[in-house]
Amino acid sequence: DGGITQSPKYLFRKEGQNVTLSCEQNLNHDAMYWYRQDPGQGLRLIYYSQIVNDFQKGDIAEGYSVSREKKESFPLTVTSAQKNPTAFYLCASSIRQSQHSGNTIYFGEGSWLTVV
Amino acid sequence: AQSVTQLGSHVSVSEGALVLLRCNYSSSVPPYLFWYVQYPNQGLQLLLKYTSAATLVKGINGFEAEFKKSETSFHLTKPSAHMSDAAEYFCAVGAEGGSYIPTFGRGTSLIVHP
Repeated sequence: DGGITQSPKYLFRKEGQNVTLSCEQNLNHDAMYWYRQDPGQGLRLIYYSQIVNDFQKGDIAEGYSVSREKKESFPLTVTSAQKNPTAFYLCASSIRQSQHSGNTIYFGEGSWLTVV
Repeated sequence: AQSVTQLGSHVSVSEGALVLLRCNYSSSVPPYLFWYVQYPNQGLQLLLKYTSAATLVKGINGFEAEFKKSETSFHLTKPSAHMSDAAEYFCAVGAEGGSYIPTFGRGTSLIVHP
């Protein structure tokens, strides 16, 4: 079945560590996104990529990094510079939003990151 | 620029009662409008989408939403709530041009009482 796979589902990070969240899609979508979700704050866009080897900062990119070397993969690294990384992280994908933002965004099942 | 406001962070209904979740949008051009549902510890799933083909949009699980341009609203309704409808619901707006990224509301938590 086509879909978006995020791993791991649960991840624990020690202070000062970098961690990487994996996101793989087999929907043949050009665009991929990372969102952060905190209780009561909805979804906040971290990074997005409309095409391979290109990505743009979202609203809260500080302390995060991404790469887009393959169409199907868009890993997110939470660096030690992110002071409050405990949250639920959602990866998503869509057809490339070339002239409008009306294409449906499809989401993965999410990953919980907790700082210990 | 586009924005979306969901009125009420929590809505509580009894099982069998009408569900009404409110969403108002702001867009300088004709919008695309979405409703998503999120069950605990899961990702978001598309409920329905408005693309100007019809003002009343029917979605999955018995939900529907009506686009009202004069009120800049896209409220989500369901005639009779089930316990399984308890979840977080997100409204989102997209538009022509701009950043090409849809904007999501803060979400409304639907609580269903037996």
